[in-house]
Amino acid sequence: ILNVEQSPQSLHVQEGDSTNFTCSFPSSNFYALHWYRWETAKSPEALFVMTLNGDEKKKGRISATLNTKEGYSYLYIKGSQPEDSATYLCAPVRRGFKTIFGAGTRLFVKA
Amino acid sequence: DGGITQSPKYLFRKEGQNVTLSCEQNLNHDAMYWYRQDPGQGLRLIYYSQIVNDFQKGDIAEGYSVSREKKESFPLTVTSAQKNPTAFYLCASSFRGQGSPLIQETQYFGPGTRLLVL
Repeated sequence: ILNVEQSPQSLHVQEGDSTNFTCSFPSSNFYALHWYRWETAKSPEALFVMTLNGDEKKKGRISATLNTKEGYSYLYIKGSQPEDSATYLCAPVRRGFKTIFGAGTRLFVKA
Repeated sequence: DGGITQSPKYLFRKEGQNVTLSCEQNLNHDAMYWYRQDPGQGLRLIYYSQIVNDFQKGDIAEGYSVSREKKESFPLTVTSAQKNPTAFYLCASSFRGQGSPLIQETQYFGPGTRLLVL
């Protein structure tokens, strides 16, 4: 079974702080990597999907990078806002289209 | 509005009872999935289906059963053989077909069902 590690497990920041999380995964048979945001009492929603080594994606204040050779992805949030509070899930997809979810990083942004 | 619905939101199971969780989607997605979430763990795949009348076991299928008689529906039955059923269950769907690979495998999730044992 693919082992996906996300760190930190949880994070408390002040409004306006910038922050980043890590997702690490075995790089063999890599196909794609998804980031999802899961707000409390809502369904997980897709943020980004990346496939190529060196890929960078950006959506507003949130961006992500991908290193497929060493098996990691970073998610960055610039100027965190209370509405960014959520669990961020990393989900690499292996060849054969098997998706494995990490346990997530739970972000709390205090106003 | 297109989306995925799950019902009920909360479900209580008595010892030795089978219960069925509903999942319906109107996104015209081919693939559907059932995940289980336990505290501190990632989503674990129970079963998935890529096409009507076909489904495969995921990583933790023991004690569960599914059916896929219609494209829109993928119900999950938690049987009495599942000894630790208390968990949060999420259903998802994704597009499987021609088109950009980036579109494929992006999963769309329902709101979840929390199953509790009495």
